Amino acid sequence: GAVVSQHPSWVICKSGTSVKIECRSLDFQATTMFWYRQFPKQSLMLMATSNEGSKATYEQGVEKDKFLINHASLTLSTLTVTSAHPEDSSFYICSARGGRTYGYTFGSGTRLTVV
Amino acid sequence: EDQVTQSPEALRLQEGESSSLNCSYTVSGLRGLFWYRQDPGKGPEFLFTLYSAGEEKEKERLKATLTKKESFLHITAPKPEDSATYLCAVQPTGNQFYFGTGTSLTVIP
Repeated sequence: GAVVSQHPSWVICKSGTSVKIECRSLDFQATTMFWYRQFPKQSLMLMATSNEGSKATYEQGVEKDKFLINHASLTLSTLTVTSAHPEDSSFYICSARGGRTYGYTFGSGTRLTVV
Repeated sequence: EDQVTQSPEALRLQEGESSSLNCSYTVSGLRGLFWYRQDPGKGPEFLFTLYSAGEEKEKERLKATLTKKESFLHITAPKPEDSATYLCAVQPTGNQFYFGTGTSLTVIP
């Protein structure tokens, strides 16, 4: 089956530093990947759509310069949270299109805590 | 406006007590409706995709059904290991997904 690997599973960083989260499709090629953010007891909110070889498409209200997305290959997309602040603390989840689920397999998520 | 509403917000069942979770949606078109299971601190795990009204899918103790306005996730004789948050998502067109806020299910032994 389709597997999406996301790393790290959790990270704690100091305010003002940058953090990179990786999302890899392990057994299929993903031309499109998606990045979500989830606050406690809330649903997933789409942040951006990552397209291999082109610029990401950001949802309204998501700062492009703060959340840098790179999709340099068909199996890897990265989300970099730049100059992180405590309000960026959240659960970030990636999703990739491919495999048996008609496209949408999710990674295991990354818990980001900014102190 | 595209919208997905799940109910109830939380559900506590005794082991073996069957019940249903609801997902109501309002979208301009429907390419697919998805059910996921999410355990605490984990990403969503795919359960089902439904494409058209009248469609049903089953997996172990779970059965998903779809009408033009809503979907139900029926849980038959649940076990404690079925405890999780169940998320519904709809895909109107393109790649956009709209998630509901989920139903937190607790099955008590």
